[in-house]
Amino acid sequence: GAGVSQSPSNKVTEKGKDVELRCDPISGHTALYWYRQSLGQGLEFLIYFQGNSAPDKSGLPSDRFSAERTGGSVSTLTIQRTQQEDSAVYLCASSRGGDTDTQYFGPGTRLTVL
Amino acid sequence: DAKTTQPPSMDCAEGRAANLPCNHSTISGNEYVYWYRQIHSQGPQYIIHGLKNNETNEMASLIITEDRKSSTLILPHATLRDTAVYYCIVRAPRQAGTALIFGKGTTLSVSS
Repeated sequence: GAGVSQSPSNKVTEKGKDVELRCDPISGHTALYWYRQSLGQGLEFLIYFQGNSAPDKSGLPSDRFSAERTGGSVSTLTIQRTQQEDSAVYLCASSRGGDTDTQYFGPGTRLTVL
Repeated sequence: DAKTTQPPSMDCAEGRAANLPCNHSTISGNEYVYWYRQIHSQGPQYIIHGLKNNETNEMASLIITEDRKSSTLILPHATLRDTAVYYCIVRAPRQAGTALIFGKGTTLSVSS
């Protein structure tokens, strides 16, 4: 596809369970970002990848959150022992980098923790 | 990055031009003006960006004043599907790795 894709589109889980969210960036985009958006709130930056490396992980809200990227393409965001406050839309964006670094977003994964 | 100010909401009739203003009076000479929009329950969508010159693409036009202290996003023929929150973001040129910071934006309501 031409755009960023994310899966699943919706995920309902029980408190305490682990979840994995997937992002497929635009082909050729070396930079990949994860954000989350709680209901009615702005975007919160989580982590950024350049290639397979994540230079800055400081946005991850707790050590229950981790992310990896393999082959400079697909990325997975993992949330362990989910809590109700983790409920949000998780958004992925990718860019070519460079001076303007225009970021293109995927449709998001809506996570609901019961 | 410079701060931006946008009206909280605007209305537009379907088929008419929607002109969305943004003030960025503290913008620096090398900072770009970006516009994104977010339709309900979807991810933000990139619209257009510019530095000094006016820009046009298939979605919209961006008019930047000569002093660069304000800009206007123009949707030439608004449709119901253009109802969304529109964000104006000012950002210095940089290599990848910096998060976009979205303010409150302008909620555009297009009605028939």
